[in-house]
Amino acid sequence: DVKVTQSSRYLVKRTGEKVFLECVQDMDHENMFWYRQDPGLGLRLIYFSYDVKMKEKGDIPEGYSVSREKKERFSLILESASTNQTSMYLCASSLFSVGRGNEQFFGPGTRLTVL
Amino acid sequence: KNQVEQSPQSLIILEGKNCTLQCNYTVSPFSNLRWYKQDTGRGPVSLTIMTFSENTKSNGRYTATLDADTKQSSLHITASQLSDSASYICVVRGSTGFQKLVFGTGTRLLVSP
Repeated sequence: DVKVTQSSRYLVKRTGEKVFLECVQDMDHENMFWYRQDPGLGLRLIYFSYDVKMKEKGDIPEGYSVSREKKERFSLILESASTNQTSMYLCASSLFSVGRGNEQFFGPGTRLTVL
Repeated sequence: KNQVEQSPQSLIILEGKNCTLQCNYTVSPFSNLRWYKQDTGRGPVSLTIMTFSENTKSNGRYTATLDADTKQSSLHITASQLSDSASYICVVRGSTGFQKLVFGTGTRLLVSP
C-alpha cells in the first residue's frame, strides 16, 4: 500500500515563526502536492512538484514556499506564520501526471494553529 | 469558471438506510471524476473514478453514477454502516493544460445508530 506520512498531526506556532511541514511518500511517486483544507472551501492547492528540485505554484502560494531535495520528501515552509494560515494541511503524491488521471494518495494531515 | 458543487452540505441517516450524495460540475472539457471518502482527522481516500464513457461504477456498497451531458454525478451508499460516517468529496479533472483538479467542498455524512 502507498503510504504518505506527515511529520506532525497537530502543530501550534506563534505569529512570525518559521514553520516546516514535512511529507514523505514511500512509493517512488514523481508528483507531490501540498493542499490546505478549510471548512466550506474544500481543498486548495498551494504548491506541487513533478520532480526533484522542481516546483510549481498552485492556486494559493502566497506566504508559502516548498522544497523537494529528494524524490520521496516534499516540505512546505511558512516563512513567517500568520493567523490566517491556521488550517489543515494535506500532502499528497501520485504517479506520473495528474493529467493522466492517476489517483492522488493523501497523508493524514497536519492541523496547524497559529496564535 | 471551473466549479464543483456538492449537495447536501451535511446529512444524517439511520444505520442501515440508503442515501445519495450529489455532485454538479462545470469543469470543461471533462476528463474524469473521483469520489473520495475522508474520515475525521484523516486524509481523503479514493472510492471510485468515473471517466467520460462510464455512467455507473460500484465499489462494494458504494455506487457512483455519471451523466456527462448534464454534468452531474451521484454517490449512492447502500445499507449504511456507522463506519460510513465521513466527508465525501467530489473531484473533477479537466483535460487541458495542467489538468488541475477541481475539488468540491464535500458532503458530511453522519450515520446514526
